[in-house]
Amino acid sequence: AQTVTQSQPEMSVQEAETVTLSCTYDTSESDYYLFWYKQPPSRQMILVIRQEAYKQQNATENRFSVNFQKAAKSFSLKISDSQLGDAAMYFCAYRSWSYGGSQGNLIFGKGTKLSVKP
Amino acid sequence: GAVVSQHPSRVICKSGTSVKIECRSLDFQATTMFWYRQFPKKSLMLMATSNEGSKATYEQGVEKDKFLINHASLTLSTLTVTSAHPEDSSFYICSARGTLLGQPQHFGDGTRLSIL
Repeated sequence: AQTVTQSQPEMSVQEAETVTLSCTYDTSESDYYLFWYKQPPSRQMILVIRQEAYKQQNATENRFSVNFQKAAKSFSLKISDSQLGDAAMYFCAYRSWSYGGSQGNLIFGKGTKLSVKP
Repeated sequence: GAVVSQHPSRVICKSGTSVKIECRSLDFQATTMFWYRQFPKKSLMLMATSNEGSKATYEQGVEKDKFLINHASLTLSTLTVTSAHPEDSSFYICSARGTLLGQPQHFGDGTRLSIL
């Protein structure tokens, strides 16, 4: 079974600075997807960024980028120029390449609470 | 972008009441919908997976008679918490996925259920 580990329950960053959130995972599959979701106090789940395992290039979305190390099974999220609105819970998630039924479900880490100081 | 509507957003009711939560995909056909439960300051816990037109697959430890799931169409799935008790109070979130391989899951805004 796949597992996702986020070893940082809480992180803090100064506004305009850069912060990196860690995520490691365990799987025996060679093809899969990785995601970072943001959950602000409103509790809405917002997709931040996604990475296909077969792609060597790290995904980027504006101020958000990932460092995907497939061999090390590591998938960290870097937030540049942090803004107050970035304060939220961040969940790393894994999804199998297989599509059927619950195999397509997201497996979440326990989350990292990010605080942004003005 | 794809939108999933979840209703109601907040429910407060008495113990013993049955509560129905709806999850609709507004601009795509959702062949698979997922129902999660989230305790305060915790991660999302998958309760069940539903595929349109077939019975839901429940995760271990989730009572299928307590949490009834119906996925009658490609745009609607419902979760009914039957004879709810205070311990069922929680935040419930649905998500939906379309037919195309590689599509991400899209989440509803969640339902905060409080049983008095």
